[in-house]
Amino acid sequence: ELKVEQNPLFLSMQEGKNYTIYCNYSTTSDRLYWYRQDPGKSLESLFVLLSNGAVKQEGRLMASLDTKARLSTLHITAAVHDLSATYFCAVDTRRSYNTDKLIFGTGTRLQVFP
Amino acid sequence: GAVVSQHPSRVICKSGTSVKIECRSLDFQATTMFWYRQFPKQSLMLMATSNEGSKATYEQGVEKDKFLINHASLTLSTLTVTSAHPEDSSFYICSARDGTRREQFFGPGTRLTVL
Repeated sequence: ELKVEQNPLFLSMQEGKNYTIYCNYSTTSDRLYWYRQDPGKSLESLFVLLSNGAVKQEGRLMASLDTKARLSTLHITAAVHDLSATYFCAVDTRRSYNTDKLIFGTGTRLQVFP
Repeated sequence: GAVVSQHPSRVICKSGTSVKIECRSLDFQATTMFWYRQFPKQSLMLMATSNEGSKATYEQGVEKDKFLINHASLTLSTLTVTSAHPEDSSFYICSARDGTRREQFFGPGTRLTVL
């Protein structure tokens, strides 16, 4: 059974600091997503990583994918309060056209304080 | 583009009643729709996958007779929670995908509270 684990589960960090969230998964996959979820809201898509070595950046967030290590990272640079949210990675488990599905990680709740 | 809506956004019902949640793709044809459930402070768990015109495929442990899914058109899927109980209270999120892309587009979610 595919498992997707994130760490840390909870991260409290000071504004201006840097930190990395890790996403480990237990089987091969060619596609990984990062999402943001604010309290009481649905998911907002952040990044789609499609190949080994893929790196994408948007503002203070940068995501990378190492398919050989089955590891993705979400790096936060110079955190600001607006980044406070829960972040999920999700692994696309493609079997066939009609049976692929996303397996979500455990989530990382990020709190940025002044 | 790729907008998915859900209705209602919030519903409160009495134990034993049935509740229907709609998921619509507004600007594309959704050949596949997915239904997720999220309990407080937990991750999203896939409940079922539905392809237009076919019976839904349920994940292990999800009762198909309790969570009825219909995907009768390329823009609408419904989830009916039958004989709801307080333990069914959760945040239900749908997503949709068209036939050309693998990426799923998520709806805004429906908060169900069963009293």
